[in-house]
Amino acid sequence: QQQVKQSPQSLIVQKGGISIINCAYENTAFDYFPWYQQFPGKGPALLIAIRPDVSEKKEGRFTISFNKSAKQFSLHIMDSQPGDSATYFCAASMVTGGGNKLTFGTGTQLKVEL
Amino acid sequence: DSGVTQTPKHLITATGQRVTLRCSPRSGDLSVYWYQQSLDQGLQFLIQYYNGEERAKGNILERFSAQQFPDLHSELNLSSLELGDSALYFCASSVEAVGANVLTFGAGSRLTVL
Repeated sequence: QQQVKQSPQSLIVQKGGISIINCAYENTAFDYFPWYQQFPGKGPALLIAIRPDVSEKKEGRFTISFNKSAKQFSLHIMDSQPGDSATYFCAASMVTGGGNKLTFGTGTQLKVEL
Repeated sequence: DSGVTQTPKHLITATGQRVTLRCSPRSGDLSVYWYQQSLDQGLQFLIQYYNGEERAKGNILERFSAQQFPDLHSELNLSSLELGDSALYFCASSVEAVGANVLTFGAGSRLTVL
């Protein structure tokens, strides 16, 4: 059961352009929405995160937009650079019992071309 | 270096065999998570431990088991291996068991079952 749907699967953007990755979730019990960045041969690393009571969060060139009523959130990468080429995962977290369950989307392979 | 250490980095074994993957969390982190990453399933949450206790369970097969030891390192045991178990297995750690946790991932253990 895929509780977090992510699109597109892959994305090619020109240097300086805007990269947009979209995610949708089903379970309203999710209460924390992080984005992770993964480079080849490495584990995922936290990029930026948002709580559902906030509609937008910006950190440098990275912005999360969150639409609680639509159960959708997106990552915008402004002024995309070749160094941003990586796989991006959206995720949604919920407390379950005495622990945390972080559910990931299927990932988006971003390539930024010169 | 994320501070989360996983061994071995690569492991090749045969169907029906049993393997153990080891994880040392980042210093100060009490919670350990295991994830399986495969091409067709993405990052799948397996299990979470906090200070030695199981706290959350995901899509972990009965052939798989895990534990967290008093020194906080964790082991994931995979038995009766099948071809479909070939994947990257990631360990992650965090300070707390619940909440808006930042998960720090290790570099993963790549398991190939022949």
